[in-house]
Amino acid sequence: NAGVMQNPRHLVRRRGQEARLRCSPVKGHSHVYWYRQLPEEGLKFMVYLQKENIIDESGMPKERFSAEFPKEGPSILRIQQVVRGDSAAYFCASSPPGQAGLAFFGQGTRLTVV
Amino acid sequence: AQRVTQPEKLLSVFKGAPVELKCNYSYSGSPELFWYVQYSRQRLQLLLRHISRESIKGFTADLNKGETSFHLKKPFAQEEDSAMYYCALRGNTPLVFGKGTRLSVIA
Repeated sequence: NAGVMQNPRHLVRRRGQEARLRCSPVKGHSHVYWYRQLPEEGLKFMVYLQKENIIDESGMPKERFSAEFPKEGPSILRIQQVVRGDSAAYFCASSPPGQAGLAFFGQGTRLTVV
Repeated sequence: AQRVTQPEKLLSVFKGAPVELKCNYSYSGSPELFWYVQYSRQRLQLLLRHISRESIKGFTADLNKGETSFHLKKPFAQEEDSAMYYCALRGNTPLVFGKGTRLSVIA
């Protein structure tokens, strides 16, 4: 039973490029969450998705950031026109239906913008 | 608004000494409180949740609604307890995390 899988583990992008981060939840989990961790900061909630629906995107910047969780395939966090301030670790978590506090985390994607 | 405060960035204790990792929260409703732990080179994982009232790896945490606290305690620290600990709250939004406390247990 594989846990939450994130790829890539490390991603380097030049300013202005696009970054695509992928997350495959635990099998059977229909809820996916994305968090961002900046240096010396805790995990900041970004977005909560269920299959084909965005439930809560209150933590997501209004511009350049988008997320999806299609019916088939992994959840994708997309950052367009990256800037240096986007450099961070991005974590994905999934939970079973009805147990939103029981989050299983991936190992994260470390994005570096040069 | 939901907020979790962990006042200590780093806590160092000697092996065998008691440990208390502090967590205070702010939420107007009835929250669910959790402790998550990240050992070196491992992913973040759930340690315990207040509704289960269980002891995991010798750790316990009691929800004190009067003081809005959910401190994590262990009577005798072990070297393998060295890790990053995050307190988390779930109210009417997904989990909100504190900034974490790094526990270092010295032999």
